[in-house]
Amino acid sequence: GAGVSQSPRYKVAKRGQDVALRCDPISGHVSLFWYQQALGQGPEFLTYFQNEAQLDKSGLPSDRFFAERPEGSVSTLKIQRTQQEDSAVYLCASSPRVYVGSNQPQHFGDGTRLSIL
Amino acid sequence: AQKVTQAQTEISVVEKEDVTLDCVYETRDTTYYLFWYKQPPSGELVFLIRRNSFDEQNEISGRYSWNFQKSTSSFNFTITASQVVDSAVYFCALSEANTGTASKLTFGTGTRLQVTL
Repeated sequence: GAGVSQSPRYKVAKRGQDVALRCDPISGHVSLFWYQQALGQGPEFLTYFQNEAQLDKSGLPSDRFFAERPEGSVSTLKIQRTQQEDSAVYLCASSPRVYVGSNQPQHFGDGTRLSIL
Repeated sequence: AQKVTQAQTEISVVEKEDVTLDCVYETRDTTYYLFWYKQPPSGELVFLIRRNSFDEQNEISGRYSWNFQKSTSSFNFTITASQVVDSAVYFCALSEANTGTASKLTFGTGTRLQVTL
C-alpha cells in the first residue's frame, strides 16, 4: 500500500499477557517512530529507528516495552506482561531519508487500539 | 525540555464560520520545526503543515492559514469558512531541527473541532 500500515487494528488482551504490534512503513522510508496515544491526549514518543538501528528509546515507559526493526523495514513493538495502564492507541510513523538541514514530516498509520482487561 | 500547549480542548462552530486553533510552544532550541496534524475519527494523523523556526512568513493553503509569531511562541491555525468535513482533532507539534537524524515530535493535547450544519 501507499501509506503506513499497522496491524492488528484492534487488540484485546488480558492483564499479564504479551502482545506484539506490527508496523509496515512506507517503502523506502528510513526513519520509523512509535508513539503511544492515551485517550484524550496527544501522541507521546516511545522510540525511533533509523534503518535497523534503534537510535532513541528514551520514551519507552518500562522494560516491559521492546521494539525491533531487524531488516530496516517492518517493525514490531512488543509489550510483555501487559498492565491496564498500557491501554492506548499505538501509532507508527515513518519518514523519508534524512538530509542535514531538513526534517521531513512523519507519515502516520491508523494505529493499533490496545485494550487490556 | 520541549512543550506544546493547546489551551482549547473543544470548539464548536456552525458551518461557514471561521475558527482559529491556538498553539503555544516552549523550547530551548534556537532552531526547530512546528507542525499541525489533523486526526479524523478514523485515527490516522494527517500532516497539514511544517514550519521552520527561521521562516516567520504566514502561510495560506486554500481555506487553511497559519500565523507563526516567534515573539509570542505561537503557531495558530485558522480555518476559513469551516465545513463539516473539518470536524476532527487537531494537534500542534514541535521538533528540534534535524541534526543528521530524524527528530521525535512533541505534541500538544489537541483541540477537538466540531463543525455543525
